[in-house]
Amino acid sequence: GEDVEQSLFLSVREGDSSVINCTYTDSSSTYLYWYKQEPGAGLQLLTYIFSNMDMKQDQRLTVLLNKKDKHLSLRIADTQTGDSAIYFCAESPSYYGGSQGNLIFGKGTKLSVKP
Amino acid sequence: NAGVTQTPKFRVLKTGQSMTLLCAQDMNHEYMYWYRQDPGMGLRLIHYSVGEGTTAKGEVPDGYNVSRLKKQNFLLGLESAAPSQTSVYFCASSSLRAVAYNEQFFGPGTRLTVL
Repeated sequence: GEDVEQSLFLSVREGDSSVINCTYTDSSSTYLYWYKQEPGAGLQLLTYIFSNMDMKQDQRLTVLLNKKDKHLSLRIADTQTGDSAIYFCAESPSYYGGSQGNLIFGKGTKLSVKP
Repeated sequence: NAGVTQTPKFRVLKTGQSMTLLCAQDMNHEYMYWYRQDPGMGLRLIHYSVGEGTTAKGEVPDGYNVSRLKKQNFLLGLESAAPSQTSVYFCASSSLRAVAYNEQFFGPGTRLTVL
């Protein structure tokens, strides 16, 4: 079946870079996403990348996509304590027809930032 | 503009009781979704709706029913609650116009405990 895999935990020191990795299964996913969940809250879209791109940069965030290996990563530069959250990788699999907007989420990576 | 709201925020049920979770969105979104989030399991799609009067099953629909009588509301029902349905439930919505990159907007969640 379709699956999105992520490591469950990452701990970094404030000011360091964080790299969160993800592997996905549906090579026909048009977009891949990173969502952020802060404690006690719902998910918010952090960034996304179109499948014909291999990199996207947005301020402190860099998304890298390796379509051949179906590997997605999120790099957060100069990580701050406010970045502590759970980060979810997601894909939009083709078996949903691409018209319903459904997403398959990974289990989430809990990022802990130590001062 | 409240975005996506969910009621109630917390609920404790006894096994066999029924209840309805309400999701409301004021963004005129066509698509709405119900997910459950369990520790170590990420988000799993229960049911979704692509428009008023239409619903469809997601990954884990058993034990739940939904209705979308009005475009802005998506109701999730538990007819006979079981302890396995103890979870945090999230509602989300997305716009047809943005379906290509599918930003889903999430509510704050409902924490349900079934004893």
